[in-house]
Amino acid sequence: DIQMTQSPSSVSASVGDRVTITCRASRGISSWLAWYQQKPGKAPKLLIYAASSLQSGVPSRFSGSGSGTDFTLTISSLQPEDFATYYCQQANIFPRTFGQGTKVEIK
Amino acid sequence: QLQLQESGPGLVKPSETLSLTCTVSGGSISSSSYYWGWIRQPPGKGLEWIGSIFYSGSTYYNPSLKSRVTISVDTSKNQFSLNLSSVTAADTAVYYCARHPLSTRPFDYWGQGALVTVSS
Repeated sequence: DIQMTQSPSSVSASVGDRVTITCRASRGISSWLAWYQQKPGKAPKLLIYAASSLQSGVPSRFSGSGSGTDFTLTISSLQPEDFATYYCQQANIFPRTFGQGTKVEIK
Repeated sequence: QLQLQESGPGLVKPSETLSLTCTVSGGSISSSSYYWGWIRQPPGKGLEWIGSIFYSGSTYYNPSLKSRVTISVDTSKNQFSLNLSSVTAADTAVYYCARHPLSTRPFDYWGQGALVTVSS
């Protein structure tokens, strides 16, 4: 299985801050990485696919980058509705695997 | 607009079989472009992929659960189902059904989730 490791596990930030979350795969996955946002009591919502492609309807303040084993999700200017938990997921091979999550909290 | 909805018992006894069904509306489960999957999330924890099925019945399972999992599809009802046998308290989780394209694409449509508690 490919292990996905996110850092940090949590981050405290203020509205307007730039936030960066990192995801590392235990072996190369090309660009087959996705990012999800999950709010309490809700299903995950797809933000980014293929490492850097923005899902339809997702605000442009979200961006993704990386390839191989190292990936980044950036929120350029944090908004109140962005406080949530973020997960990465590799879509290269089965079994599909997720990172452990990064909680973005209000500072 | 595609919608997925999980249904099934919210309480299952230890050693019994957990059974859930996902009903797909607004699109056909028989599309040759998609797999249909199950993902779970224990309370306060992260996401775990359980398995996925194609409309033809072809399946992929998480090796950690493979001995206990069966996923099936009923194209006539536009539904797919999850059976997880010999459950323990560790199987208590919110269970989500979701769609993902055949290629290297992620889960793009999700159900709202169904909490299943394993307790006597």
